Amino acid sequence: DQQVKQNSPSLSVQEGRISILNCDYTNSMFDYFLWYKKYPAEGPTFLISISSIKDKNEDGRFTVFLNKSAKHLSLHIVPSQPGDSAVYFCAARVNFGNEKLTFGTGTRLTIIP
Amino acid sequence: DVKVTQSSRYLVKRTGEKVFLECVQDMDHENMFWYRQDPGLGLRLIYFSYDVKMKEKGDIPEGYSVSREKKERFSLILESASTNQTSMYLCASSLGVNTEAFFGQGTRLTVV
Repeated sequence: DQQVKQNSPSLSVQEGRISILNCDYTNSMFDYFLWYKKYPAEGPTFLISISSIKDKNEDGRFTVFLNKSAKHLSLHIVPSQPGDSAVYFCAARVNFGNEKLTFGTGTRLTIIP
Repeated sequence: DVKVTQSSRYLVKRTGEKVFLECVQDMDHENMFWYRQDPGLGLRLIYFSYDVKMKEKGDIPEGYSVSREKKERFSLILESASTNQTSMYLCASSLGVNTEAFFGQGTRLTVV
């Protein structure tokens, strides 16, 4: 049972344009959401997070939007740069639970120069 | 900076061997995790620990065990390695509520 879903395995975006990565979840108990970026042969690195009490969080070129009623979150990267080419994972957690993160299957983002 | 260090980047082991993967974190984090990453399946939680000598099963614990004798060290043990355990193994640690998990660089394990 995949509780966190990333339905697009891959996405290609022109350099300078906006990249939008999507994530859906089914567990209504999730209340903290994170995005990670992963390069080949390296561990994931944290990008940005959002608590369920917010609907938007911004950090430089990265913005995460949360729509609780639709159980959907998205990561916007603008402008996209070649170094953004990587696999992006969304993750979710129940905060009063046991701290474990449930991950999606990932989206491979390719930025075209 | 938080550092999570995994003892090996690449390992090749034979079927039936007992395999130890070691992970050390230097930030006094309470929580530590072992995930495996496989194409099309994302990161799946094997085991986690929220305190010394405490452990809980994740989503795919079969064929694995763990040990946490010291706060900074969390070991993953493959009791009898099998070819379907060929994967990228990722260790992570976190402090607690509303904080991110920090990952090690990963261990690419191949079982032949």
